[in-house]
Amino acid sequence: GDSVTQMEGPVTLSEEAFLTINCTYTATGYPSLFWYVQYPGEGLQLLLKATKADDKGSNKGFEATYRKETTSFHLEKGSVQVSDSAVYFCALSDYKLSFGAGTTVTVRA
Amino acid sequence: NAGVTQTPKFRILKIGQSMTLQCAQDMNHNYMYWYRQDPGMGLKLIYYSVGAGITDKGEVPNGYNVSRSTTEDFPLRLELAAPSQTSVYFCASRGTDYEQYFGPGTRLTVT
Repeated sequence: GDSVTQMEGPVTLSEEAFLTINCTYTATGYPSLFWYVQYPGEGLQLLLKATKADDKGSNKGFEATYRKETTSFHLEKGSVQVSDSAVYFCALSDYKLSFGAGTTVTVRA
Repeated sequence: NAGVTQTPKFRILKIGQSMTLQCAQDMNHNYMYWYRQDPGMGLKLIYYSVGAGITDKGEVPNGYNVSRSTTEDFPLRLELAAPSQTSVYFCASRGTDYEQYFGPGTRLTVT
């Protein structure tokens, strides 16, 4: 079935560092791809999405491009802040969401 | 729009008790979902619904029941609570691009 594999954490960075979290997927069809963020003690928030190949999703300085040829949807941010500390989940969707295991990111001042 | 709302936010149950977790959405979405998230883990799908009157099992349905009498509401029923059901429960609804919108969660402890 459809599945997502994302980079294991935890990841610890200094403020203003570059962040990348790798995500690859396996799917029989043409799913939509998502990144969700979960701040401590909160629910999941949709960070960005891409619905077809070569689409680039972006939000709050984060970007990810739907790469069909490499079946990837890597998340990137050029300059992280302490407030970006959270757990990030990659996901794909047909009738339901298939989540990656989550990557915990900690940004130090 | 309130989005997806859940009640209660916190609950402590004794083993063998029952309860209903409430979920409502005001976005007129047909698809709705219940997940559980154990500490340090990802989300596991319990049940989902494709519209009023239609529900189906997810990955971990045992010990739970759902109903969907209206588009807005999708309650989750726990019967005979067990310590293994201690978790955080999230309800979600699905938008037009297959994205899901999550509620704030219910933290349940069974002792």
